[in-house]
Amino acid sequence: EPEVTQTPSHQVTQMGQEVILRCVPISNHLYFYWYRQILGQKVEFLVSFYNNEISEKSEIFDDQFSVERPDGSNFTLKIRSTKLEDSAMYFCASSELIEDTEAFFGQGTRLTVV
Amino acid sequence: QKEVEQNSGPLSVPEGAIASLNCTYSDRGSQSFFWYRQYSGKSPELIMFIYSNGDKEDGRFTAQLNKASQYVSLLIRDSQPSDSATYLCAVTANNNDMRFGAGTRLTVKP
Repeated sequence: EPEVTQTPSHQVTQMGQEVILRCVPISNHLYFYWYRQILGQKVEFLVSFYNNEISEKSEIFDDQFSVERPDGSNFTLKIRSTKLEDSAMYFCASSELIEDTEAFFGQGTRLTVV
Repeated sequence: QKEVEQNSGPLSVPEGAIASLNCTYSDRGSQSFFWYRQYSGKSPELIMFIYSNGDKEDGRFTAQLNKASQYVSLLIRDSQPSDSATYLCAVTANNNDMRFGAGTRLTVKP
């Protein structure tokens, strides 16, 4: 069964460093998403991406964050100058269409900023 | 602000009972509604989705949507201990930012 894959599963980084979280969406999906879940809190929308550009972003997704689809399969989230409060589980998701369809989630990358 | 509200629980039901999970949303333009299940430390897993007013049944699960009241619910019949998890309500409008509620923690006791 096709699935969204994320690497690494766990990333530890020092405050101020840059991290890149990687995702391989399901191959025939057209819409890609990043979500964040701080431990014990709700899943928060960060950004959606379609046709090689951001289609929607939340108030959380500021200049510290960027997304890219560097090739035909990968979808990345870059966090510049990480802060302690960026520590969270980051989920990538993809969907085939935008309306009337569900998003499938990857297993997540746990980011720990120390 | 697009809000999705859920009772955080915990909701505790005995095995075999019906579990009822509720969700309200603030954006009247919302069109698609999803229930995800999340086990501790795992990613959200889709349980059901519903787009039209009324009920939608899938096995032991029934989703109910009332757009006029901005209310969506999930019923789990014959609850099993393996149903113990956090249930996330998610809502999208016709843009593509799915917003999640905080989740309701369900415990099914044997």
